[in-house]
Amino acid sequence: GAVVSQHPSWVICKSGTSVKIECRSLDFQATTMFWYRQFPKQSLMLMATSNEGSKATYEQGVEKDKFLINHASLTLSTLTVTSAHPEDSSFYICSTSGRGTSTDTQYFGPGTRLTVL
Amino acid sequence: ELKVEQNPLFLSMQEGKNYTIYCNYSTTSDRLYWYRQDPGKSLESLFVLLSNGAVKQEGRLMASLDTKARLSTLHITAAVHDLSATYFCASPPTGSNYQLIWGAGTKLIIKP
Repeated sequence: GAVVSQHPSWVICKSGTSVKIECRSLDFQATTMFWYRQFPKQSLMLMATSNEGSKATYEQGVEKDKFLINHASLTLSTLTVTSAHPEDSSFYICSTSGRGTSTDTQYFGPGTRLTVL
Repeated sequence: ELKVEQNPLFLSMQEGKNYTIYCNYSTTSDRLYWYRQDPGKSLESLFVLLSNGAVKQEGRLMASLDTKARLSTLHITAAVHDLSATYFCASPPTGSNYQLIWGAGTKLIIKP
């Protein structure tokens, strides 16, 4: 299957700082990218979807000015958590789909665990 | 409201036993996905079911789809400890190929 990487795999930061998480598709063109967050022992919550050449579409309740998503290229998407607070601590996972892959599934990155002190 | 509901949410069983996880969905899609998640890890795709009556098997896991009943099952045969994980099913909303609505997950613990 397609390979998706995330960086960093974990990050600890102080409250009020901004954190950038990168999601890369290594062997295909990711025309669609998804960002999820997952709290302990809970399911995935879709935060936003971005398609090639367009801005991200945020789910209801997700602040677009706080969670900045940039689908910079067909192989890179970034999620920036601005002015992070302890309640933003979570497991953030990206997934992608697109050209050169099966159109029937999403491919998930390994996730980034964010802890805000 | 589109929903994907899994049952049970938690399952503890002995090695060697058989069991089934159920996934009911309210979307009108004919696609259903099963994923596995180990603690602290991301999701691994297990099965993609694309049509009514689809059945797929991998090792001790078998998934099936009944689009008329809007039900998918994940059957575990002769469970082994390595299958302990959380299993998620997901279905796309009508008209979407990629976006998924997720079940709450079934945490499966298999005791030696």
